[in-house]
Amino acid sequence: KNEVEQSPQNLTAQEGEFITINCSYSVGISALHWLQQHPGGGIVSLFMLSSGKKKHGRLIATINIQEKHSSLHITASHPRDSAVYICAVRARNNNDMRFGAGTRLTVKP
Amino acid sequence: DGGITQSPKYLFRKEGQNVTLSCEQNLNHDAMYWYRQDPGQGLRLIYYSQIVNDFQKGDIAEGYSVSREKKESFPLTVTSAQKNPTAFYLCASSSRTVLNNSPLHFGNGTRLTVT
Repeated sequence: KNEVEQSPQNLTAQEGEFITINCSYSVGISALHWLQQHPGGGIVSLFMLSSGKKKHGRLIATINIQEKHSSLHITASHPRDSAVYICAVRARNNNDMRFGAGTRLTVKP
Repeated sequence: DGGITQSPKYLFRKEGQNVTLSCEQNLNHDAMYWYRQDPGQGLRLIYYSQIVNDFQKGDIAEGYSVSREKKESFPLTVTSAQKNPTAFYLCASSSRTVLNNSPLHFGNGTRLTVT
């Protein structure tokens, strides 16, 4: 079993829909990251969380440390949000980063 | 603009040849990393370097080599010993490693195809 599991693997939505991507992890962590990978391959960091909730524009990330679960929400989705969203955790015991396999989001106009 | 530059974007090689992927950063970051990305899998760490002239193996270092002669540069060589080298390779950097809550900055990747 992977240490970081994301669901769903693929997600197709209509423009304007509310999107939720989930991430569960099995190790103790010091931080959780949400990353966005564009079709060209480059990756940008969206959020780094260790507790609670963060918001940036239409994106919201939450984390529940007790349940070892995080969600990324996109409100009023737009075709330009189409990308692969990757959850990554930094393990508390050795500082290693562990990555989920990613969720491929397609938003149709 | 500060960032990480990987070159080339696409690389084609014949089996049995070594190939070197370039990674340069002007973010003044101490730590640099090489990851491999395969379809349906999370990124896997190949090598990392926390400081010039020092580097450590990651989870899948076999068949790869690196150098860190300058702070800005962390080239990755894919040797003929790597059994399955065709993949997407991502270079990243961060300002710190041990004080761990620094975000990773990624390059745009190099897609290597070996035939």
